[in-house]
Amino acid sequence: SAVISQKPSRDICQRGTSLTIQCQVDSQVTMMFWYRQQPGQSLTLIATANQGSEATYESGFVIDKFPISRPNLTFSTLTVSNMSPEDSSIYLCSVDHFAGQGDSMNTEAFFGQGTRLTVV
Amino acid sequence: AQTVTQSQPEMSVQEAETVTLSCTYDTSESNYYLFWYKQPPSRQMILVIRQEAYKQQNATENRFSVNFQKAAKSFSLKISDSQLGDTAMYFCAFGSGNTGKLIFGQGTTLQVKP
Repeated sequence: SAVISQKPSRDICQRGTSLTIQCQVDSQVTMMFWYRQQPGQSLTLIATANQGSEATYESGFVIDKFPISRPNLTFSTLTVSNMSPEDSSIYLCSVDHFAGQGDSMNTEAFFGQGTRLTVV
Repeated sequence: AQTVTQSQPEMSVQEAETVTLSCTYDTSESNYYLFWYKQPPSRQMILVIRQEAYKQQNATENRFSVNFQKAAKSFSLKISDSQLGDTAMYFCAFGSGNTGKLIFGQGTTLQVKP
């Protein structure tokens, strides 16, 4: 399993400012993922953070708005830049964990507790 | 592109009864995983059950079981002996075996009534 610590757990920010969310994993993982969950909605993948290379962004998300860092195999940050009220959401960090081999290999995504962001 | 559809926005069930949540998906991949996640008000995403696409046998975890129909691309979750603690939002998710990314359905809010 993997334990993920995400902080801050919540924040209220002024529009036009930026917030950096941190995600720390208790083991080394190859890929880390950042999701956004708008109020009452499902989770949408923002980007995949790979160590040693630039993040891969999903359609509708751009690096200028959501810059991501991945300095090592246990840590990543997501910045929400130049915030507007539309950015008010829960942001979740996730890692993919593979265990076992061959037919017994399983995968499970583990999630941080999420960061509830409110932009006023 | 993969899609996941949950057509039941809200459901309710009496305590101790059985409820089934529906999920359909679309993909052209052959190597993938399917998941049901539970999200209580605490926001924490909790894995309920997992199904590997290459396995024909339906996954079970205690009171939770799935009906995996690969040809129909259907993946429903059955909760038996429902408990008050099962009240939460449930998300069906598709996981690519190649990328590790998850695609989530819209979610189903389940309320278990005493």
